[in-house]
Amino acid sequence: DTGVSQNPRHKITKRGQNVTFRCDPISEHNRLYWYRQTLGQGPEFLTYFQNEAQLEKSRLLSDRFSAERPKGSFSTLEIQRTEQGDSAMYLCASSLGPAVSSGNTIYFGEGSWLTVV
Amino acid sequence: KNQVEQSPQSLIILEGKNCTLQCNYTVSPFSNLRWYKQDTGRGPVSLTIMTFSENTKSNGRYTATLDADTKQSSLHITASQLSDSASYICVVTVDSNYQLIWGAGTKLIIKP
Repeated sequence: DTGVSQNPRHKITKRGQNVTFRCDPISEHNRLYWYRQTLGQGPEFLTYFQNEAQLEKSRLLSDRFSAERPKGSFSTLEIQRTEQGDSAMYLCASSLGPAVSSGNTIYFGEGSWLTVV
Repeated sequence: KNQVEQSPQSLIILEGKNCTLQCNYTVSPFSNLRWYKQDTGRGPVSLTIMTFSENTKSNGRYTATLDADTKQSSLHITASQLSDSASYICVVTVDSNYQLIWGAGTKLIIKP
């Protein structure tokens, strides 16, 4: 078990371009979460999946942000028409079952850094 | 408003010394409280999780306490090591499916 894996680790893109990040959760973890984190702040929740179902997406920052988990395994987070304000670290996490209320551990990946120039 | 406040904002101590980080929260309904360690540029790593009925939990040299009456938690680090240099984040869970309320973290620097 190699933990939660995120790719790419770093991405520099020009404003207006689209970017996609991939997350491979810990195998058998049915819950997958996406967060955004800026310097000096705690992670900001974006969306989460239970298997392939996206159960919460109202926290996605705008309609330029979308996430998928088509087969209930890996997930992708896409940002369209990037803006400089999108520069941040995008964190993926996974858990076995409903981690939040049950107290199960949420395991985070190393994050994907996005710089929009 | 659900909030988590941590203090101090930053702390510098000498290697081998002990330290205590504080977390105050106003979150309702409360489900559990977590402490995470986050190295610069890396993802957070879970240290402890405590539910309402637990008032202390240890993980090696890390000991977390919880006072649900005063809505305070602390993280005590014993015999600090250089590798303890990181941000320590307190996270309180609202009793729902996804809402984690994150503190801004305490940046800890251990000096040799």
